[in-house]
Amino acid sequence: TQLLEQSPQFLSIQEGENLTVYCNSSSVFSSLQWYRQEPGEGPVLLVTVVTGGEVKKLKRLTFQFGDARKDSSLHITAAQPGDTGLYLCAGMNTGTASKLTFGTGTRLQVTL
Amino acid sequence: NAGVTQTPKFRILKIGQSMTLQCAQDMNHNYMYWYRQDPGMGLKLIYYSVGAGITDKGEVPNGYNVSRSTTEDFPLRLELAAPSQTSVYFCASSQRRTAYTLYEQYFGPGTRLTVT
Repeated sequence: TQLLEQSPQFLSIQEGENLTVYCNSSSVFSSLQWYRQEPGEGPVLLVTVVTGGEVKKLKRLTFQFGDARKDSSLHITAAQPGDTGLYLCAGMNTGTASKLTFGTGTRLQVTL
Repeated sequence: NAGVTQTPKFRILKIGQSMTLQCAQDMNHNYMYWYRQDPGMGLKLIYYSVGAGITDKGEVPNGYNVSRSTTEDFPLRLELAAPSQTSVYFCASSQRRTAYTLYEQYFGPGTRLTVT
Protein backbone atom coordinates (compact mmCIF):
# COMPACT_ATOMS: atom_id res chain seq x y z
CA THR A 1 0.00 0.00 0.00
CA GLN A 2 1.34 3.40 -0.95
CA LEU A 3 1.13 6.05 1.76
CA LEU A 4 1.40 9.82 1.57
CA GLU A 5 2.13 11.66 4.80
CA GLN A 6 1.46 15.38 5.00
CA SER A 7 2.92 17.81 7.48
CA PRO A 8 1.94 19.75 9.36
CA GLN A 9 -1.52 18.35 10.03
CA PHE A 10 -2.82 21.74 11.14
CA LEU A 11 -1.52 25.26 10.60
CA SER A 12 -2.97 28.47 11.99
CA ILE A 13 -1.30 31.65 10.77
CA GLN A 14 -2.02 35.34 10.35
CA GLU A 15 -2.66 37.08 7.08
CA GLY A 16 0.55 37.98 5.29
CA GLU A 17 2.66 35.13 6.64
CA ASN A 18 4.33 32.53 4.45
CA LEU A 19 3.94 28.78 4.90
CA THR A 20 5.04 25.46 3.44
CA VAL A 21 3.15 22.18 3.43
CA TYR A 22 5.00 18.93 2.83
CA CYS A 23 3.83 15.69 1.25
CA ASN A 24 6.15 12.68 1.65
CA SER A 25 6.12 9.05 0.58
CA SER A 26 8.49 6.13 0.35
CA SER A 27 6.90 5.26 -3.01
CA VAL A 28 7.50 6.77 -6.43
CA PHE A 29 4.54 8.34 -8.24
CA SER A 30 4.26 9.14 -11.94
CA SER A 31 2.44 12.37 -11.09
CA LEU A 32 1.21 14.21 -8.06
CA GLN A 33 -1.79 16.46 -7.65
CA TRP A 34 -2.71 19.04 -5.05
CA TYR A 35 -6.33 19.68 -4.14
CA ARG A 36 -8.01 22.22 -1.86
CA GLN A 37 -11.20 21.36 -0.05
CA GLU A 38 -13.49 23.85 1.63
CA PRO A 39 -15.98 22.88 4.36
CA GLY A 40 -19.02 21.06 2.99
CA GLU A 41 -17.57 20.70 -0.50
CA GLY A 42 -15.57 18.23 -2.53
CA PRO A 43 -11.86 18.71 -3.27
CA VAL A 44 -10.92 20.94 -6.21
CA LEU A 45 -7.75 20.41 -8.21
CA LEU A 46 -5.09 23.12 -7.86
CA VAL A 47 -2.21 21.66 -9.88
CA THR A 48 -0.63 18.52 -11.31
CA VAL A 49 3.14 18.01 -11.32
CA VAL A 50 4.66 15.30 -13.45
CA THR A 51 8.41 15.69 -13.88
CA GLY A 52 10.92 15.19 -11.05
CA GLY A 53 12.12 18.61 -9.88
CA GLU A 54 9.22 20.39 -11.57
CA VAL A 55 8.09 23.71 -10.09
CA LYS A 56 4.69 25.22 -10.88
CA LYS A 57 3.30 28.55 -9.73
CA LEU A 58 -0.32 29.49 -9.31
CA LYS A 59 -0.39 33.15 -8.24
CA ARG A 60 0.92 33.08 -4.62
CA LEU A 61 1.12 29.27 -4.51
CA THR A 62 4.31 27.44 -5.55
CA PHE A 63 4.30 23.67 -6.00
CA GLN A 64 7.40 21.51 -6.30
CA PHE A 65 7.76 17.82 -7.16
CA GLY A 66 10.80 16.12 -5.66
CA ASP A 67 13.62 14.96 -7.93
CA ALA A 68 12.88 11.32 -7.10
CA ARG A 69 9.09 11.84 -7.50
CA LYS A 70 8.48 10.65 -3.93
CA ASP A 71 7.67 13.97 -2.31
CA SER A 72 6.19 17.37 -2.98
CA SER A 73 5.75 20.72 -1.31
CA LEU A 74 3.29 23.58 -1.46
CA HIS A 75 4.49 27.06 -0.51
CA ILE A 76 2.07 29.92 -0.01
CA THR A 77 3.40 33.47 0.02
CA ALA A 78 1.57 36.20 1.92
CA ALA A 79 -1.35 34.02 2.97
CA GLN A 80 -4.85 35.45 2.84
CA PRO A 81 -8.05 34.38 4.64
CA GLY A 82 -9.31 33.02 1.31
CA ASP A 83 -6.52 30.42 1.44
CA THR A 84 -8.20 28.76 4.43
CA GLY A 85 -9.10 25.14 3.76
CA LEU A 86 -7.91 21.54 3.73
CA TYR A 87 -4.99 20.91 1.38
CA LEU A 88 -4.62 17.40 0.05
CA CYS A 89 -1.83 15.92 -2.00
CA ALA A 90 -2.62 12.87 -4.12
CA GLY A 91 -0.26 10.59 -6.00
CA MET A 92 -1.05 8.71 -9.18
CA ASN A 93 0.65 5.92 -11.07
CA THR A 94 0.36 5.24 -14.78
CA GLY A 95 -1.84 2.33 -15.78
CA THR A 96 -3.85 2.25 -12.57
CA ALA A 97 -7.11 3.64 -14.00
CA SER A 98 -5.93 7.01 -12.68
CA LYS A 99 -6.57 5.94 -9.12
CA LEU A 100 -5.32 8.47 -6.61
CA THR A 101 -3.67 7.82 -3.28
CA PHE A 102 -4.53 10.76 -1.06
CA GLY A 103 -2.37 12.23 1.65
CA THR A 104 -3.53 12.73 5.21
CA GLY A 105 -4.32 16.40 4.65
CA THR A 106 -3.18 19.75 6.06
CA ARG A 107 -5.82 22.04 7.50
CA LEU A 108 -4.86 25.69 7.06
CA GLN A 109 -6.51 28.56 8.88
CA VAL A 110 -5.55 32.12 7.98
CA THR A 111 -6.82 34.85 10.27
CA LEU A 112 -6.84 38.63 9.92
CA ASN B 1 -23.01 21.32 -17.12
CA ALA B 2 -23.93 20.25 -13.60
CA GLY B 3 -20.66 18.30 -13.24
CA VAL B 4 -20.87 15.58 -10.58
CA THR B 5 -24.05 15.45 -8.52
CA GLN B 6 -24.71 13.40 -5.40
CA THR B 7 -27.88 12.65 -3.48
CA PRO B 8 -28.79 12.79 -0.68
CA LYS B 9 -26.69 15.47 1.02
CA PHE B 10 -27.33 14.09 4.49
CA ARG B 11 -28.68 10.81 5.83
CA ILE B 12 -29.03 9.14 9.21
CA LEU B 13 -29.28 5.36 9.22
CA LYS B 14 -29.93 2.89 11.98
CA ILE B 15 -27.54 -0.04 12.39
CA GLY B 16 -28.47 -2.82 9.99
CA GLN B 17 -30.38 -0.64 7.52
CA SER B 18 -29.41 -0.40 3.86
CA MET B 19 -29.29 2.52 1.48
CA THR B 20 -28.00 3.63 -1.91
CA LEU B 21 -25.96 6.77 -2.44
CA GLN B 22 -26.56 8.19 -5.88
CA CYS B 23 -23.90 9.74 -8.11
CA ALA B 24 -24.27 11.10 -11.63
CA GLN B 25 -21.99 13.02 -13.99
CA ASP B 26 -22.81 14.80 -17.24
CA MET B 27 -19.26 15.21 -18.57
CA ASN B 28 -19.20 11.86 -20.44
CA HIS B 29 -16.28 10.70 -18.29
CA ASN B 30 -15.36 7.05 -18.44
CA TYR B 31 -13.78 6.81 -15.02
CA MET B 32 -15.76 7.14 -11.80
CA TYR B 33 -14.80 6.70 -8.14
CA TRP B 34 -16.25 6.48 -4.67
CA TYR B 35 -14.27 7.74 -1.69
CA ARG B 36 -14.95 8.08 1.99
CA GLN B 37 -13.47 10.81 4.18
CA ASP B 38 -13.37 10.42 7.92
CA PRO B 39 -13.06 13.54 10.13
CA GLY B 40 -9.75 15.35 9.67
CA MET B 41 -8.46 12.74 7.26
CA GLY B 42 -7.71 12.33 3.58
CA LEU B 43 -9.85 10.33 1.19
CA LYS B 44 -9.86 6.54 0.89
CA LEU B 45 -10.95 4.81 -2.31
CA ILE B 46 -13.89 2.42 -1.89
CA TYR B 47 -14.66 1.34 -5.48
CA TYR B 48 -13.93 2.59 -8.95
CA SER B 49 -15.10 2.01 -12.51
CA VAL B 50 -13.31 2.48 -15.83
CA GLY B 51 -16.49 2.28 -17.89
CA ALA B 52 -20.06 1.00 -18.02
CA GLY B 53 -20.22 -2.59 -16.82
CA ILE B 54 -16.72 -2.56 -15.28
CA THR B 55 -16.09 -2.03 -11.58
CA ASP B 56 -13.26 -2.91 -9.21
CA LYS B 57 -12.43 -2.69 -5.52
CA GLY B 58 -10.40 0.08 -4.02
CA GLU B 59 -8.66 0.29 -0.68
CA VAL B 60 -11.71 -0.10 1.65
CA PRO B 61 -14.50 -2.02 -0.20
CA ASN B 62 -15.90 -4.13 2.66
CA GLY B 63 -19.55 -3.39 3.42
CA TYR B 64 -20.18 -1.67 0.09
CA ASN B 65 -21.27 -2.59 -3.42
CA VAL B 66 -21.42 -0.69 -6.69
CA SER B 67 -22.83 -1.06 -10.18
CA ARG B 68 -22.23 0.87 -13.39
CA SER B 69 -24.97 0.22 -15.93
CA THR B 70 -24.53 3.57 -17.72
CA THR B 71 -21.66 6.01 -18.29
CA GLU B 72 -23.47 8.67 -16.28
CA ASP B 73 -24.45 6.86 -13.07
CA PHE B 74 -22.40 5.12 -10.39
CA PRO B 75 -24.50 4.28 -7.30
CA LEU B 76 -22.94 3.03 -4.06
CA ARG B 77 -24.91 0.54 -2.00
CA LEU B 78 -24.47 0.08 1.74
CA GLU B 79 -25.79 -3.21 3.06
CA LEU B 80 -26.27 -3.72 6.81
CA ALA B 81 -25.02 -0.31 7.87
CA ALA B 82 -22.54 -0.20 10.76
CA PRO B 83 -21.31 2.74 12.91
CA SER B 84 -17.87 2.36 11.26
CA GLN B 85 -19.50 3.53 8.01
CA THR B 86 -20.26 6.94 9.48
CA SER B 87 -18.35 9.22 7.14
CA VAL B 88 -18.61 11.71 4.30
CA TYR B 89 -18.82 10.00 0.92
CA PHE B 90 -17.53 11.62 -2.25
CA CYS B 91 -18.08 10.55 -5.82
CA ALA B 92 -15.64 11.67 -8.50
CA SER B 93 -15.15 11.29 -12.23
CA SER B 94 -12.26 11.74 -14.61
CA GLN B 95 -11.24 11.42 -18.22
CA ARG B 96 -7.87 11.37 -19.94
CA ARG B 97 -7.13 14.92 -21.05
CA THR B 98 -4.40 14.22 -23.59
CA ALA B 99 -2.33 11.28 -24.76
CA TYR B 100 -0.15 11.98 -21.70
CA THR B 101 -1.74 10.57 -18.57
CA LEU B 102 -2.90 13.71 -16.78
CA TYR B 103 -6.18 12.76 -15.17
CA GLU B 104 -7.97 15.43 -13.20
CA GLN B 105 -10.71 14.19 -10.90
CA TYR B 106 -13.89 16.20 -10.50
CA PHE B 107 -15.67 15.71 -7.19
CA GLY B 108 -19.29 15.94 -6.16
CA PRO B 109 -20.37 17.88 -3.04
CA GLY B 110 -20.51 14.76 -0.85
CA THR B 111 -23.06 12.84 1.21
CA ARG B 112 -22.74 13.05 5.00
CA LEU B 113 -23.85 9.71 6.48
CA THR B 114 -24.35 8.93 10.15
CA VAL B 115 -25.05 5.39 11.35
CA THR B 116 -26.42 5.13 14.89
